[in-house]
Amino acid sequence: DAGVIQSPRHEVTEMGQEVTLRCKPISGHNSLFWYRQTMMRGLELLIYFNNNVPIDDSGMPEDRFSAKMPNASFSTLKIQPSEPRDSAVYFCASSGTGEGQPQHFGDGTRLSIL
Amino acid sequence: DQQVKQNSPSLSVQEGRISILNCDYTNSMFDYFLWYKKYPAEGPTFLISISSIKDKNEDGRFTVFLNKSAKHLSLHIVPSQPGDSAVYFCAASDNTGGFKTIFGAGTRLFVKA
Repeated sequence: DAGVIQSPRHEVTEMGQEVTLRCKPISGHNSLFWYRQTMMRGLELLIYFNNNVPIDDSGMPEDRFSAKMPNASFSTLKIQPSEPRDSAVYFCASSGTGEGQPQHFGDGTRLSIL
Repeated sequence: DQQVKQNSPSLSVQEGRISILNCDYTNSMFDYFLWYKKYPAEGPTFLISISSIKDKNEDGRFTVFLNKSAKHLSLHIVPSQPGDSAVYFCAASDNTGGFKTIFGAGTRLFVKA
């Protein structure tokens, strides 16, 4: 079975540019999560969706960040305009329904904003 | 505010000995606790979990203990192996409002051969 697929694996871009990160969750999973990992904050939840509907976006740092899930098999996280402090590894994860369901993570996108 | 805390950034253990990773939480509404393991350049992978109605769960070399009164859980690995060297994340979920999971900052475990 294919796991969670994230693209690109690495992204290097200049400050001010738009960045779009992509995620394909595991088929049949109806919850999707976006995380950001930094040295200072560890793994922080940015936003999560249930059945394609955003449930909690309180972790999204600023209006420059937006996320969409147009269908059950695709989600994007967009940063516009990007800033150097956005540099981090961004993970997408998905899970099934039910209490205590573990999340399955993609291998992340390493983002560097110059 | 950090609802899930892993106060030890790193831990070094000799191969064959026990590794004990600790985690504290503040939200009494958490009802599931999970541990994930992460290798470099990979995403975290689920290791073991425990429901708040239990105080121990065991899976092979891995055991998780939960002390609700102290709001503390720990992961025991015995015997430790060099392949266990990774970052371990403690996580907690409160399913009353969906499936939001809060992660700790992680503890890097080094198992020396």
